[in-house]
Amino acid sequence: EIVLTQSPGTLSLSPGERATLSCRASQSVSSSYLAWYQQKPGQAPRLLIYGASSRATGIPDRFSGSGSGTDFTLTISRLEPEDFAVYYCQQYGRSPLFTFGPGTKVDIK
Amino acid sequence: EVQLLESGGGLVQPGGSLRLSCAASGFTFSSSAMSWVRQAPGKGLEWVSAISGSGGSTSYADSVKGRFTISRDNSKNTLYLQMNSLRAEDTAVYYCAKGGSSPGPYYFDYWGQGTLVTVSS
Repeated sequence: EIVLTQSPGTLSLSPGERATLSCRASQSVSSSYLAWYQQKPGQAPRLLIYGASSRATGIPDRFSGSGSGTDFTLTISRLEPEDFAVYYCQQYGRSPLFTFGPGTKVDIK
Repeated sequence: EVQLLESGGGLVQPGGSLRLSCAASGFTFSSSAMSWVRQAPGKGLEWVSAISGSGGSTSYADSVKGRFTISRDNSKNTLYLQMNSLRAEDTAVYYCAKGGSSPGPYYFDYWGQGTLVTVSS
């Protein structure tokens, strides 16, 4: 089973700052199989990035994904007030079919 | 517009059963893999089960294998999750999620708003 670790657990930043979120896998993951989601309190998760670096429909270009192998990164170039939320990475594998990281909370400094 | 609407959640006693439904619209349901993902109160996301577009292939998390059954009715554009032998640790919001299409169903591109299942005596 591939385990995903996300760091930091909490990121305290101000609007306009750059956010860099890390997702590390315990084994190599195909880039096609790595996705990122945003979740706000009381809401369902929203797909941001799939295939490690492809933005989902309607996602602003301040969100970008990169990485390969075991190390992946979600970058928010300039934080907007609506970007303060919890972010999860997710990988597709064999057993279990899907796993999520524990999440990184981006809150207002 | 893609819409996923879950129903069927509620309070159930340990050992009891519940069936969740997810009504889908706005896309070709029979061509899309679907999953159930849950989130315990204050916790992260946990994938529960997945089913192929035809319904011929299913997969489960170890935590629910043998107790939960995923199914679909493509004539009704509806996804189901039959949950038996429920435990306190199954308490969560259950989301219905649509599998992506390009390059494959390796992620979830649309999610429902969720339905809360509470297992308690």
